[in-house]
Amino acid sequence: QVQLKESGPGLVQPSQTLSLTCTVSGFSLMDYSVHWVRQPPGKGLEWMGRMKYDGDTYYNSALKSRLSISRDTSKSQVFLKMNSLQTEDTAIYYCTGGTTAHYWGQGVMVTVSS
Amino acid sequence: DVVMTQTPVSLSVAIGQPASISCKSSQSLVGTSGKTYLNWLLQRPGQSPKRLIYLVSKLDSGIPDRFSGSGSETDFTLKISRVEADDLGVYYCLQGTHFPYTFGAGTKLELK
Repeated sequence: QVQLKESGPGLVQPSQTLSLTCTVSGFSLMDYSVHWVRQPPGKGLEWMGRMKYDGDTYYNSALKSRLSISRDTSKSQVFLKMNSLQTEDTAIYYCTGGTTAHYWGQGVMVTVSS
Repeated sequence: DVVMTQTPVSLSVAIGQPASISCKSSQSLVGTSGKTYLNWLLQRPGQSPKRLIYLVSKLDSGIPDRFSGSGSETDFTLKISRVEADDLGVYYCLQGTHFPYTFGAGTKLELK
């Protein structure tokens, strides 16, 4: 049974760095890619970036300067770090994996506020 | 970036009636492999998105055959043959051919 679970702080101060973890079970990070997607309250979905099964990464150009995705295959975890957070980064952050958008975590709500 | 234009923005349908959603891409979604990486997802209220269809027309496991996907190149359609109450929510198309992947803005399906 495939599961993805996001974890991280619910509140981040403006200009600070967001760190999120996606813990995967039911498949290997060396077999399938994991993507990060976010959704501001009441709005649509935005693709942020991908950790490919071979370790390659690709980022949304709009976020590239602030975003970093890494992984620890031994722990089946994928990490997202995004710096210089602003209020417009307030969103539910999802990780999704398997073939594109097949399996989703429940999401983690991140609020950027002082 | 590939722009995915979804129409309509909202759709009001009676139970048992059909529904259709269009998704048009700003460039061809045929990849170098010859495959077309167009997906349809449903996000029910308060839930994570769920993939319904991948590669234009392939139904994910457990998805009823009331759902169907069709299209090619830049023009794609999701059809529901008979809407049920469980189908309510926001539908998104997602292209996974070109980086960055991009979503349509969503179509909200409501009951009439």
